[in-house]
Amino acid sequence: AQSVTQLDSQVPVFEEAPVELRCNYSSSVSVYLFWYVQYPNQGLQLLLKYLSGSTLVESINGFEAEFNKSQTSFHLRKPSVHISDTAEYFCAVRSGGYQKVTFGTGTKLQVIP
Amino acid sequence: DSGVTQTPKHLITATGQRVTLRCSPRSGDLSVYWYQQSLDQGLQFLIQYYNGEERAKGNILERFSAQQFPDLHSELNLSSLELGDSALYFCASSVANDPGGRDTEAFFGQGTRLTVV
Repeated sequence: AQSVTQLDSQVPVFEEAPVELRCNYSSSVSVYLFWYVQYPNQGLQLLLKYLSGSTLVESINGFEAEFNKSQTSFHLRKPSVHISDTAEYFCAVRSGGYQKVTFGTGTKLQVIP
Repeated sequence: DSGVTQTPKHLITATGQRVTLRCSPRSGDLSVYWYQQSLDQGLQFLIQYYNGEERAKGNILERFSAQQFPDLHSELNLSSLELGDSALYFCASSVANDPGGRDTEAFFGQGTRLTVV
């Protein structure tokens, strides 16, 4: 079975400050890892993904996440947040083959002006 | 725009009623997923279809059912509705679901907000 834990339900941070959203997963097989973002009143959008290769993956809007197999983590970071980053962020895991994608409970990022 | 279309966007209905939510996946996507998002339960996987066949089942109630049609659109049927069924229902689609595990990210629709009164 696979599962995802997002320990922080809400993270307030001042504009231009760095942020880290934590994600830990459990799976007995190799995994694909994802971060999705949900802006208010919208569906989920893929932010970035780890499939294989380099453990550090980046998005086009400055977010990055690092796959750490030994710690079973896939934390999301951004060195300087903007007001427009205010949204809910979901970490997700999918094991190889026909397994469904399992989502974490989400972390609401609130950027304070 | 993800390319996944869900209708209707909003639905208000009474307890005990039955509703049907519709999803059109992105062109070429064979897999369709249904998720329920509520304040207290978060994002819950309900069911997945691949090319017309049920592929995986999650926390879907017996009162709920789904199907995927030959044209690949999918419908989620919710019956004997209860107040607790009020939630945002998302459909997502992905390209493939092959044995090599190359099925990667899912693309989400805007959701159908169901309110049961």
